[in-house]
Amino acid sequence: EIVLTQSPGTLSLSPGERATLSCRASQSVSSSYLAWYQQKPGQAPRLLIYGASSRATGIPDRFSGSGSGTDFTLTISRLEPEDFAVYYCQQYGSSPSFGPGTKVDIK
Amino acid sequence: QVQLVQSGAEVKKPGASVKVSCKASGYTFTSYGISWVRQAPGQGLEWMGWISAYNGNTNYAQKLQGRVTMTTDTSTSTAYMELRSLRSDDTAVYYCARDGGGWIPNDYWGQGTLVTVSS
Repeated sequence: EIVLTQSPGTLSLSPGERATLSCRASQSVSSSYLAWYQQKPGQAPRLLIYGASSRATGIPDRFSGSGSGTDFTLTISRLEPEDFAVYYCQQYGSSPSFGPGTKVDIK
Repeated sequence: QVQLVQSGAEVKKPGASVKVSCKASGYTFTSYGISWVRQAPGQGLEWMGWISAYNGNTNYAQKLQGRVTMTTDTSTSTAYMELRSLRSDDTAVYYCARDGGGWIPNDYWGQGTLVTVSS
């Protein structure tokens, strides 16, 4: 089973700032089957990034993903007010799993 | 447009079973799989398993093996998730999500169904 660790647990930033979120896997994630989701309170998760770096349909280009193997990063280039939320990484190989999440809140 | 509409909230006693439905529309149901994900109050996301709507093949999370069954009814484009021998720590919001196929994971999600297990 692949265990995902996300850091930091909470990121306190101001609108307009750059956010860098990390996701580390306990073993290599095959074929970069790594995704990022955004979740706001009371809502279902929303797919942002798949294949480690491909943006899902309708996702603004301020969101970008990178990485391979065991280390992955989600970057939000300039935070908009609607970006304050919890972000989860997911590996979706044969037995998918989620990381514990990073909360991005307003400083 | 793609929509996944789930059944309503449930309250169950410990030891009982619950069956949550997920009705799909706006796409060819048998061309995609359905995953189930749950989220305990204030906690993160937990993958429960996956079912192919094409042939019914399933892949369950090891910790739920023996307690969970996922099925589909292609005549109504509906997926079901049944969880048995409920415990208090099964209290959660249960989501269904479409597997986008190929590289794409869960691209559309249901609204969630709150299942509360309490005596």
